[in-house]
Amino acid sequence: QKEVEQNSGPLSVPEGAIASLNCTYSDRGSQSFFWYRQYSGKSPELIMFIYSNGDKEDGRFTAQLNKASQYVSLLIRDSQPSDSATYLCAVKSGSNTGFQKLVFGTGTRLLVSP
Amino acid sequence: DVKVTQSSRYLVKRTGEKVFLECVQDMDHENMFWYRQDPGLGLRLIYFSYDVKMKEKGDIPEGYSVSREKKERFSLILESASTNQTSMYLCASSLSGGLLGGTEAFFGQGTRLTVV
Repeated sequence: QKEVEQNSGPLSVPEGAIASLNCTYSDRGSQSFFWYRQYSGKSPELIMFIYSNGDKEDGRFTAQLNKASQYVSLLIRDSQPSDSATYLCAVKSGSNTGFQKLVFGTGTRLLVSP
Repeated sequence: DVKVTQSSRYLVKRTGEKVFLECVQDMDHENMFWYRQDPGLGLRLIYFSYDVKMKEKGDIPEGYSVSREKKERFSLILESASTNQTSMYLCASSLSGGLLGGTEAFFGQGTRLTVV
């Protein structure tokens, strides 16, 4: 079982709709969760992080965390064509030395059509 | 403006060559990471470093080594390049932090390495 799992997509939504991106993780001890956006040919950039159960909102983006279900999601309201990108879920996971490393999912490709 | 800079954007090397990928950050971050990114496999951690001269293996360290002699610089070394090491290599850095908190990882622009 992969540590962090995402549906590869593509997820296609029309402009103005809500895009819902999902991620599950295997390490029940994980405490911090991140969403990165990566445009084609570019490096990942952080959109949001969350570490408490529930919702966290930032503009058009809402991150949702459910630790009991080991599930984290990202909602994008009023989707725009400029939101078309690959969205990477990342989870802070402990290593053998106790250092917390960042483990990434394979990403979900989002396509927003005008 | 935060910056992580990788020495090359594109690199072509021959099988068996020793390859050095350099990464420099100007944010005084303790942690530095090397990932490779391949279609369908996502970002996979090769090595990371949490302090000068300290390093730890990631998930796919075979065929790679690293060096961190100075806090701002983290080098990835391919001892004898092979065609299956053709990939996009991404360097990242972050502040140290515990389990809680958003210690954001900042990424360099990536090096696309082709081994022929």
